[in-house]
Amino acid sequence: SAVISQKPSRDICQRGTSLTIQCQVDSQVTMMFWYRQQPGQSLTLIATANQGSEATYESGFVIDKFPISRPNLTFSTLTVSNMSPEDSSIYLCSVEGGTGVDMFFGSGTQLSVL
Amino acid sequence: GDSVTQMEGPVTLSEEAFLTINCTYTATGYPSLFWYVQYPGEGLQLLLKATKADDKGSNKGFEATYRKETTSFHLEKGSVQVSDSAVYFCALASTSGSRLTFGEGTQLTVNP
Repeated sequence: SAVISQKPSRDICQRGTSLTIQCQVDSQVTMMFWYRQQPGQSLTLIATANQGSEATYESGFVIDKFPISRPNLTFSTLTVSNMSPEDSSIYLCSVEGGTGVDMFFGSGTQLSVL
Repeated sequence: GDSVTQMEGPVTLSEEAFLTINCTYTATGYPSLFWYVQYPGEGLQLLLKATKADDKGSNKGFEATYRKETTSFHLEKGSVQVSDSAVYFCALASTSGSRLTFGEGTQLTVNP
């Protein structure tokens, strides 16, 4: 299994500001994934981040709003830019386990935008 | 595209009651199926999985069987505990990649 450290665990932000969420894995992984969980809803994939290339975004998500960095095989960041109250969600990163089937998740970042 | 449908919640049970949370899916090919659990204030944890038809995943007293004929992966536990109170997500991973498609989640509350 993979151990994923995600921070911050929670934050309260003002409208119009940006927040960068960090995800650190205890082993090298090819792909890292960023999900959003809106209040009372399920998880939606935002993008897939590969080291050395631009992230691949899902429909409805754009790089200008959710820029992602993947500088090495153990680390990634997701920035939520120009925030509005609609961005209030839990953001989670995940990685594949060694079997290629299992996915492991960080503990999430609870974001509230005022 | 792929989709997962879970029974609507919330579900409230008394301790030692039998639990079933229904999950059905739509996917092409032969997806892998998962149940994840999210305890209050925490991230998701993999509870169990099944990678092919008729496989049974099990963990911590929970079980689910991959039924291709009914495209279902229902979660069951014979005797729930207060500590099982959490949100349960059914999910699938398509044969074309690692991305997960999640169901809506089912909030389970177990009362003593």
